[in-house]
Amino acid sequence: AQSVAQPEDQVNVAEGNPLTVKCTYSVSGNPYLFWYVQYPNRGLQFLLKYITGDNLVKGSYGFEAEFNKSQTSFHLKKPSALVSDSALYFCAVRDRTRGGSYIPTFGRGTSLIVHP
Amino acid sequence: GAGVSQSPSNKVTEKGKDVELRCDPISGHTALYWYRQSLGQGLEFLIYFQGNSAPDKSGLPSDRFSAERTGGSVSTLTIQRTQQEDSAVYLCASSSIAGVGETQYFGPGTRLLVL
Repeated sequence: AQSVAQPEDQVNVAEGNPLTVKCTYSVSGNPYLFWYVQYPNRGLQFLLKYITGDNLVKGSYGFEAEFNKSQTSFHLKKPSALVSDSALYFCAVRDRTRGGSYIPTFGRGTSLIVHP
Repeated sequence: GAGVSQSPSNKVTEKGKDVELRCDPISGHTALYWYRQSLGQGLEFLIYFQGNSAPDKSGLPSDRFSAERTGGSVSTLTIQRTQQEDSAVYLCASSSIAGVGETQYFGPGTRLLVL
């Protein structure tokens, strides 16, 4: 079984400050982990993913995420937030175990609001 | 290149009518997924295609929902006898293959409103 949790429905941050959007996961084996962003009235856009290798993954628009196996987390971070980063962010997980589901499980989403 | 496209972008229908939603995936992508996103909710998986076959239909909420994919490309999601609770955004995604750490590419969605 696989599951993902985004414990915060909403994150508020001032422009220029660092931001963190939290994600924790549960899988039987090792995970593939993804972050997507959804702007209003748009589909989801891929930001970054962890497959294997370096635990720090860098993605689009200056975002990065760190895979922490011991804490089963994959938090999304950005050193300096922009107002244009305001959007809905989704974390997703898929179990890499052979025979695992081909379907990623998505979190409920976290609304990021960056204040000017 | 072209991304995933969906049509119509918006659909308003009356309760009890049938609707068809279309998804045109990225050329060459063999895997195609349908999700439903209700207001304030996350993504609800509906059905997954590998080529023209659907190995996983587990997310279809009732027998009023069906989907097909022809020629390994375009997919149609059909909702029969629509109900008000069917109102949501229906998202389609495609990926090059399934079974590895593939990235899903999403279309803009179809906003369905059942009156």
